[in-house]
Amino acid sequence: AQKVTQAQTEISVVEKEDVTLDCVYETRDTTYYLFWYKQPPSGELVFLIRRNSFDEQNEISGRYSWNFQKSTSSFNFTITASQVVDSAVYFCALSERKPTGANSKLTFGKGITLSVRP
Amino acid sequence: DTGVSQDPRHKITKRGQNVTFRCDPISEHNRLYWYRQTLGQGPEFLTYFQNEAQLEKSRLLSDRFSAERPKGSFSTLEIQRTEQGDSAMYLCASSPGPPSYEQYFGPGTRLTVT
Repeated sequence: AQKVTQAQTEISVVEKEDVTLDCVYETRDTTYYLFWYKQPPSGELVFLIRRNSFDEQNEISGRYSWNFQKSTSSFNFTITASQVVDSAVYFCALSERKPTGANSKLTFGKGITLSVRP
Repeated sequence: DTGVSQDPRHKITKRGQNVTFRCDPISEHNRLYWYRQTLGQGPEFLTYFQNEAQLEKSRLLSDRFSAERPKGSFSTLEIQRTEQGDSAMYLCASSPGPPSYEQYFGPGTRLTVT
């Protein structure tokens, strides 16, 4: 069975601080996908990134960076120089890679509430 | 707007009433998912459609819940004889399928059962 653990529940930082959101996952599959989604106060889940299990290269997109370590089953997300607009709930999710036609449902963690204070 | 849309955004109903929600996926996305999210939790999978075929249902989907996707376009989720425990945000997502596994979510329908 798949499982995603986001041990941090709430994080509060001051604007311009760096912050790292942790994600640990469990799966029996050798091929899978990992995701991060952002849920701002408006409620709509916004896709941020997908990472394939066979690609451990870290990724940077502007102030966002992701560190995927298969050896520790972790997929951590760092926001550099945080801004008030980054305040949201962040979810890590896992999906098995399946053949065409099969369900690739997402298994989500419980989310981390990030508050960035001015 | 070419994103996923859901209607209504909010629904308040009395216990025992039936409710129906609609989801319009991104056009040409053949995969459609329903999830339920309660306060302080991540979304939980309910059911999945590929085109018009409902291929998987979670054990969370009791026999009071039914979902359809006629013609493989929009989808509806109906809850019969609502209970207070059904109060939640119901999220719809669509995906183009392999090789793209991203799911794009709608704004959700918040259901409150009084």
